[in-house]
Amino acid sequence: GESVGLHLPTLSVQEGDNSIINCAYSNSASDYFIWYKQESGKGPQFIIDIRSNMDKRQGQRVTVLLNKTVKHLSLQIAATQPGDSAVYFCAETSNAGNMLTFGGGTRLMVKP
Amino acid sequence: GAGVSQSPSNKVTEKGKDVELRCDPISGHTALYWYRQSLGQGLEFLIYFQGNSAPDKSGLPSDRFSAERTGGSVSTLTIQRTQQEDSAVYLCASSFTPLGGYTFGSGTRLTVV
Repeated sequence: GESVGLHLPTLSVQEGDNSIINCAYSNSASDYFIWYKQESGKGPQFIIDIRSNMDKRQGQRVTVLLNKTVKHLSLQIAATQPGDSAVYFCAETSNAGNMLTFGGGTRLMVKP
Repeated sequence: GAGVSQSPSNKVTEKGKDVELRCDPISGHTALYWYRQSLGQGLEFLIYFQGNSAPDKSGLPSDRFSAERTGGSVSTLTIQRTQQEDSAVYLCASSFTPLGGYTFGSGTRLTVV
């Protein structure tokens, strides 16, 4: 069936470096994508979203890129900080769907 | 309330017992979702409520699982005759509409011994 997945289960970066977390999706009907951050013992928190009529959206220190041609989504975190250490999930849905489909998650570890 | 509230935060139960997990969504949110997250895994969809419509139960793993939402607000997820494989964090989320970002609660960590 259609699915959303991630290339890397764990990403380790040095504090201050930029981080890039990738996500592949297979449902060509998906038109809305969200990145969530989940810290230990907490529920996922919304970070940033993007609709399919855009290919880039920026927030505070975060940027989401969408490549519809290859069905690829990425989250870029600038100047990664220890507080960014968490598991990051991508999620997708379409106008025809009732719920978000989540990818498997990538653990980001920031080394001081 | 200000956020999605789930209770209890932790629950340890003996195999074969029934458990009830509670979710208080954000006031006014019409859509409510239950997900399950096993250790180190992603989020598995369980059930979805939208207003007064019949719930989407397509994600419930067995007939031991059921959920209800009273008055379009509070929801209870019930697991009967719990098994060890039911051990997981059960997350509830709500939103204004079916589409768009959810707001998640902190989850209930269920341990079946």
